[in-house]
Amino acid sequence: NAGVTQTPKFRVLKTGQSMTLLCAQDMNHEYMYWYRQDPGMGLRLIHYSVGEGTTAKGEVPDGYNVSRLKKQNFLLGLESAAPSQTSVYFCASSYSWGRGRSKNIQYFGAGTRLSVL
Amino acid sequence: DAKTTQPNSMESNEEEPVHLPCNHSTISGTDYIHWYRQLPSQGPEYVIHGLTSNVNNRMASLAIAEDRKSSTLILHRATLRDAAVYYCILTKETSGSRLTFGEGTQLTVNP
Repeated sequence: NAGVTQTPKFRVLKTGQSMTLLCAQDMNHEYMYWYRQDPGMGLRLIHYSVGEGTTAKGEVPDGYNVSRLKKQNFLLGLESAAPSQTSVYFCASSYSWGRGRSKNIQYFGAGTRLSVL
Repeated sequence: DAKTTQPNSMESNEEEPVHLPCNHSTISGTDYIHWYRQLPSQGPEYVIHGLTSNVNNRMASLAIAEDRKSSTLILHRATLRDAAVYYCILTKETSGSRLTFGEGTQLTVNP
């Protein structure tokens, strides 16, 4: 199994450009998450999804949109990139809460390094 | 949400045990203690979690104080590959709960 796969791995954007980051998981997980990590800091939750067709805001949602059209994919969009969005973006997935499983055991991708000039 | 306090950095020698502390004096009865680690240039990786009793798995052991106000992640024999940032996170097992990452402890392992 590949686990959680993020594409692209690196990207440089100019201010105002748009892009979509793709996250794919092959573990049949119900929950998926997008985080950002700035230098020397912990991860902060941007948006998350508890199932196909549903999304919710996290701690730092402004400037981002997400979609979960298929259970295995979670897309993160930047409509008009700003230098403040320069960061490393991590996607994660987990089983849903309950049923004897911990939703807090999350599996992370390798990250996307984004620079906005 | 209850907060955790961890040392910014720790050092260890290869093949020696490592004890990584975490203080969480305001922990509630329904908070689980989770540990994740992040190796350089990688995403975080789940290590272990527990509620009240000590826990062991193939990666590490988790020792939880009787009053639950602190816990210790134990790596029994550190290897160079264990050099990472270790995060201690409190979270509840409910539908709305989330992982909140602090700054963690940077573990350096000396050969």
